Amino acid sequence: QFALTQPPSVSGSPGQSVTISCTGTSSDVVTYNRVSWYQQPPGTSPKLMIYAVSNRPSGVPDRFSGSKSGNTASLTISGLQAEDEADYYCSSYTSTRRVFGGGTKLIVL
Amino acid sequence: EVQLLESGGGLVHPGGSLRLSCAASGFTFSTYAMNWVRQAPGKGLEWVSGISFGGDDTFYADSVKGRFTISRDNSKNTLHLQMSSLRVEDTAVYYCAKYIDGGVDLDYWGQGTLVTVSS
Repeated sequence: QFALTQPPSVSGSPGQSVTISCTGTSSDVVTYNRVSWYQQPPGTSPKLMIYAVSNRPSGVPDRFSGSKSGNTASLTISGLQAEDEADYYCSSYTSTRRVFGGGTKLIVL
Repeated sequence: EVQLLESGGGLVHPGGSLRLSCAASGFTFSTYAMNWVRQAPGKGLEWVSGISFGGDDTFYADSVKGRFTISRDNSKNTLHLQMSSLRVEDTAVYYCAKYIDGGVDLDYWGQGTLVTVSS
């Protein structure tokens, strides 16, 4: 299946914080500080939200933050908004390939 | 403004071939490595292939190795994916994506082109 493991879904109410985990191995997440996170609302192309573990591209709100500890990377979204409802994918770069997680559906209650 | 526009998708029989293209604009195409990522209907993202900025180095997922070939024409700012021996499980939306400045994460994605492999 997918090389990186994500929970199928997470949920939270507006204003709350949620964290999505992404578990890899020594072949990817542990070795490379090249974890990225992508947001994909239904019917759209993926959008880069976090790169190199914890960096935000220009235009991404600072409500989105990333971190990594050992073999697990995390995306935290604080101050949840209805527009944050989407699928989120983590990805790790290795020297010869890129791997993705299976995706997590964020439900804003 | 960065734009990536995929084309070439369609319906093909199992065992057939198809060539995808990605027209790039709004950035210096010849200085960026590029990738193809696909998404089967209702499923997650799967990396397919990558190519260095000069085209000398190419990389493939095990699922497509030996069947797909990635290439680029820097004079025409175009990325290609030649797909052969297509299987039903290759059915997906295929996206091209570029690396972020100074990094290896994918900061711009095209709108995707749908490839359907069916008899």
